[in-house]
Order: sequence, then structure tokens, then C-alpha cells
Amino acid sequence: DADVTQTPRNRITKTGKRIMLECSQTKGHDRMYWYRQDPGLGLRLIYYSFDVKDINKGEISDGYSVSRQAQAKFSLSLESAIPNQTALYFCATSDQRGSETQYFGPGTRLLVL
Amino acid sequence: EDQVTQSPEALRLQEGESSSLNCSYTVSGLRGLFWYRQDPGKGPEFLFTLYSAGEEKEKERLKATLTKKESFLHITAPKPEDSATYLCAVHGSGSARQLTFGSGTQLTVLP
Repeated sequence: DADVTQTPRNRITKTGKRIMLECSQTKGHDRMYWYRQDPGLGLRLIYYSFDVKDINKGEISDGYSVSRQAQAKFSLSLESAIPNQTALYFCATSDQRGSETQYFGPGTRLLVL
Repeated sequence: EDQVTQSPEALRLQEGESSSLNCSYTVSGLRGLFWYRQDPGKGPEFLFTLYSAGEEKEKERLKATLTKKESFLHITAPKPEDSATYLCAVHGSGSARQLTFGSGTQLTVLP
């Protein structure tokens, strides 16, 4: 079984809709991250969380919000989706006791029409 | 601000033709340089972490090296299954556990 899972794997939505992407991990890591990936732009950090009570904005947080429901669960919401939020979204985890090696989920492909 | 530049953007090799991918970086206090492999439609898969200049790590046909300004991912006698995008990332001392990623090198190995 995968250590980091994401649901849904694919999502098509319309402009203005609210959607939620979910991430769960069984690695026992305390730190979780949300990235988006666009062709030619690499991975860009949206939000990160060092524990359940700690949420931090990344470089591109506008238009997004997150919730850390438990150590193992971190969800990303688009309050009112817009077409330029069409991208691949990845969740990642890391262990505070180790290096900053991050382990990624399989991704969610989001299309906003 | 940490910066990572990877070159070339794309590389096509014949099976068995060895080559190197480059990752140039600027960072205030390197705490780690990371290499990942990403297959189409999948999440990045961790390959290596390097911490200091002169360090080398190997895994099968891949070897990663590190200097004070750049890292190389050497691919020896590649096979078609090595085709993927290879991502480089750095963690600097001023970036509070955040990684800065390059845009990747897309490697195609032809049989």
C-alpha cells in the first residue's frame, strides 16, 4: 500500500466551484506539504504544516486554504476555482527527526473549466 | 532567495550512451541537495540527498555528485526504463524546511 495517498486522482470542475483535495499518510511523519506543478515551472509550494496546530503559507497560497485534521491528514481547498488553477497537485511528507527529504503522493490532476 | 537551474531541459540518449545532468544552485547555507525521479503522471520519487561538497552517492546506473555551486547526476549505460524527468531541489538554512525545486530535465533513452 502507498505511504502517501491522494484523493481524488483526477477532477474536473467549473469556475467558481469549491473543491477539496485530500491527502493521507501512513509514514508517521509530522510535516506535510501541498505543491502544484505546471509545465516548465517546476514544483511550487502552496502551504505546509509542521504539526496539527501549525499551518504556514508557501510561495503561492492566494486562492487556496488548507486544513490539518490530524497528523496523518492534510487537505487543500480551492474556495472558488478559476481556470489558472488547472495543474497537477502533489502532497508530500517529511520527518522532523531526519533531513528535509520529502516523500510525495501520486498527485491529483485538476482541470478547471 | 534560493535558486535552482537545471540543464539541459531535455536530453535524448541512445541506450548505453552515458551522460550527465546538471543542477546549478545558489543558496544561503546549503543544508541538503535532493534528486528526484518523476515518471509521467506520477509523484516525484526520492533518489538521493547530498549534504556537502565532494559527497557522492550511487544507485544502480545513477551517481550524484556535489560541488559548492552545482550537482551532477551521472547516468552510466542508460536503459529505456531510465526515461523520466529528473528533478533537483535544495534546502537552504534560511528557508525553514522548505525545498526549492528546479524545473527538471526530461530524459529519453532510446532503445
